[in-house]
Amino acid sequence: KQEVTQIPAALSVPEGENLVLNCSFTDSAIYNLQWFRQDPGKGLTSLLLIQSSQREQTSGRLNASLDKSSGRSTLYIAASQPGDSATYLCAVNTGFQKLVFGTGTRLLVSP
Amino acid sequence: DAGVIQSPRHEVTEMGQEVTLRCKPISGHNSLFWYRQTMMRGLELLIYFNNNVPIDDSGMPEDRFSAKMPNASFSTLKIQPSEPRDSAVYFCASSSPGTGTGTDTQYFGPGTRLTVL
Repeated sequence: KQEVTQIPAALSVPEGENLVLNCSFTDSAIYNLQWFRQDPGKGLTSLLLIQSSQREQTSGRLNASLDKSSGRSTLYIAASQPGDSATYLCAVNTGFQKLVFGTGTRLLVSP
Repeated sequence: DAGVIQSPRHEVTEMGQEVTLRCKPISGHNSLFWYRQTMMRGLELLIYFNNNVPIDDSGMPEDRFSAKMPNASFSTLKIQPSEPRDSAVYFCASSSPGTGTGTDTQYFGPGTRLTVL
């Protein structure tokens, strides 16, 4: 059974810092991996999707990497801003659009 | 596009009552997903439909839960009878047609916060 773990569970940083969120999964047989953002009381917003054949994806200040063989992904946020404060979830696609979600990292960026 | 629409946004009910959650997927999307989010278990897939047909309902917790998708623009998740442990946020998501290998991004609705007293 696929299990997805995210470390740290919570992170607090001052504005402007670069930071890394980690995601690990137990079964490397995945189709893709997605990073989502969830704001309090809101749904999830997809940030980046990395196909199993890719090593990384970039969108603005966000960069996600994937090492499928070791079961790891990282989300790098450059020059963090207070507006980046949210919970970040990674999810692996185990096939036929079934997503298994991690436990999430709650990020707080202070002005 | 209005995105995925869910109703109601909040529902408070008493144990034993029937609860019906509703979802309208993004127009043109042919896959629809129901998730449940709790503090203890995180975000879990309950059931998903492809072209209005239930494909995998292995995540549905028990017979008290049922889901339908009578057409491409509407789905319901019903709990009967409801119990306090069903209290959670229920999300609906949809995705666009793809290659069939499950590579499409899922777009989530705002969720329905259910409280069963």
